[in-house]
This record gives sequence, C-alpha cells and structure tokens, in this order.
Amino acid sequence: DAEITQSPRHKITETGRQVTLACHQTWNHNNMFWYRQDLGHGLRLIHYSYGVQDTNKGEVSDGYSVSRSNTEDLPLTLESAASSQTSVYFCASSESGRGETQYFGPGTRLLVL
Amino acid sequence: AQSVTQLDSHVSVSEGTPVLLRCNYSSSYSPSLFWYVQHPNKGLQLLLKYTSAATLVKGINGFEAEFKKSETSFHLTKPSAHMSDAAEYFCAVSGRGNKLVFGAGTILRVKS
Repeated sequence: DAEITQSPRHKITETGRQVTLACHQTWNHNNMFWYRQDLGHGLRLIHYSYGVQDTNKGEVSDGYSVSRSNTEDLPLTLESAASSQTSVYFCASSESGRGETQYFGPGTRLLVL
Repeated sequence: AQSVTQLDSHVSVSEGTPVLLRCNYSSSYSPSLFWYVQHPNKGLQLLLKYTSAATLVKGINGFEAEFKKSETSFHLTKPSAHMSDAAEYFCAVSGRGNKLVFGAGTILRVKS
C-alpha cells in the first residue's frame, strides 16, 4: 500500500544546531507540504512543493528550508534550531488539482533545548 | 485570503448522544472544505470533504457535514457518539494550489 513516512519520529536537539526532518511518500504525488502543529494554532503551513525543483514558502517559513530533488522526498531543514521551533511537524502529500485530499504522515516531535 | 474558525475548543458529550462540531470559514474562492480527525500521538485522517458537489457530505464512521454557503459554515455531526470518537477534530479550507488552512481544532470528549 502507498504511504507517507517521516523520520525521525522523535528528536531532541540543542539551540543553534542544524536539523533535517525526512518525509518520504510512495503515492507518486506531485504536491508535498510541511506543517507544524502547536497548541491553539492547529496546523500551519511551513513550505510546499508542486513538483521536482519547485519549492514555495508558506505562512511560517522563517528559519526553515526545503528542497525537492525527486518526487518521493521533501526534507525539511531547520538551519539553526531555536526553542520557538519546538513543535510537532507533519508532512503531507496530494495529487495535483483542486480539492484533492492531502494524506498525512505520522509526525515528528521535535524538542529544541 | 482564507481562514477557518472552529467555534468550540472543547466539546463534551455522553456516549450515544449526538455530536456537533462547528466550523465557519472565509474564502475568496469557491472553497473545498475538509474535516480531519487526530487521535492522540497520531497523524491526521480524513473524515470527509466538500468539493462543490452535494452540500450534504457523508464521511467515515457515521460522520457527516453540511456545506451552507449563506452561513459560511461546514459543521460536523454524528447522530450517536461512540467512545472511540474521542479525539481532536480539525476543519480546513483549501483554495488555489490545494494549500490547506486549518482551524485551531476541537477536542471531543465522550463520557460513558
């Protein structure tokens, strides 16, 4: 069955370190998205991609970057981790087109000390 | 611009009684609307979606929602709550580019 996976599932890091969160999907979807989930805010869009070599900033992109070198993967990098980036991170993917369902990964819980 | 307001941060019902989770939206475009459920320490699972077809949408596990354009609402209902329905529920709207804007979530508690 097609799926979307994230790794690691849990990560503890220190302020100032670079961190990369992996997202891999086997749906062969063109669209991929990264969200962060914080209490009282629901999920907020960090970055998204509509295909290989395409990346775009979302609502809360400061301090994050992504790259898309193939269809299956969209890694999220925190260039210099800050305590404000402690959160749960979700990756999602979807077909292209209006109203297509986004399928979510299990999430990565990140703690920045 | 698009936005979603979930009117209740917490809802508590007794098992076997109806569930109503309220969602209002704002969208500059003809919207697609979604309800997702998240069980503790899990990812989000789609319950149902509206994409300009029938205004009453049926989803999984007995949930349904009605799109009311005049009220800009997309409330989620279920006739009879089950203990396994206890979770957090998110309403979301998408427009151009299929990007989702989420509400803050409603935590549903089901009492035995």
